[in-house]
Amino acid sequence: EVQLVESGGGLVQPGGSLKLSCAASGFTFSGSAMHWVRQASGKGLEWVGRISSISNNYATSYAASVKGRFAISRDDSENTAYLQMNGLTTEDTAVYYCARGPPGGIFYMDVWGKGATVTVSS
Amino acid sequence: QTVVTQEPSFSVSPGGTATLTCGLNSGSVSPTKYPSWYQQTPGQPPRTLIYSTNRRSSGVPDRFSGSILGNKAALTITGAQADDECDYYCVLHMGSGIWVFGGGTKLTVL
Repeated sequence: EVQLVESGGGLVQPGGSLKLSCAASGFTFSGSAMHWVRQASGKGLEWVGRISSISNNYATSYAASVKGRFAISRDDSENTAYLQMNGLTTEDTAVYYCARGPPGGIFYMDVWGKGATVTVSS
Repeated sequence: QTVVTQEPSFSVSPGGTATLTCGLNSGSVSPTKYPSWYQQTPGQPPRTLIYSTNRRSSGVPDRFSGSILGNKAALTITGAQADDECDYYCVLHMGSGIWVFGGGTKLTVL
C-alpha cells in the first residue's frame, strides 16, 4: 500500500524551530518528488515547497511566504522527506501535509499523508 | 503576485451538473500549467481527482472530468450526489518549480 505518514508536529513558540518528517512506503521513494502543503484551520490549501528526485538533482523550490525560513530535504535511504521550519510565526500554524509528486514529469500531487499539526503560540 | 481564482461557493441540485473553474488574476490557464483538482472533506487530507487538465486519478468515477473552458481550467461534476458536497481545490504549476493553489470552492448539493 502506498502510504505517507507525517510526524514531528507540535506546539512551538514564535521564533522557534520545528522539523517535520514524512515517511514513505509502498513505492520507489527515490524516484518521486515530494511536496509539502499546509492548511490553516478553516482556510484553503497552500503549497509550501517541493524537493525533486535525484534525477533532477534534488532541486528545491518554495512559496514566497516561507522562502528563506523553511528548508526541505530528503533521505532516500530512509524513504523520508523533511521540512525544517525556522523563524516560525503564528501565521505558520496549520496542518502540514506531505504529498508525492509522481515520477515521469507529471506535475501534480497524487498521494497524500494525513497531516501533522503545527501550532505556533506563546 | 500570482493569484489562482476559484468560485468561493457553488450550488448544484442532486443529479445536476456543476462546473467549477480555476483561473488566473493575470493571464490564461492552459495545459502547460498542468491544472489538477483535489477534493477535500472536513478533517481529511485532499484526494486527487484530476491531473494534467483532464486525466482522472485512479479510482475516480467518470462523473468527474476536467477541461479548459475559455481561459480557465474547469472541473465538471455530472449527476451530483450528496457526498460530492465538500471543498474542491485546483492547483497550477507556474513554472520554475512553483505551484499555486486556488482558494477553493465549497460545493453545496441541495
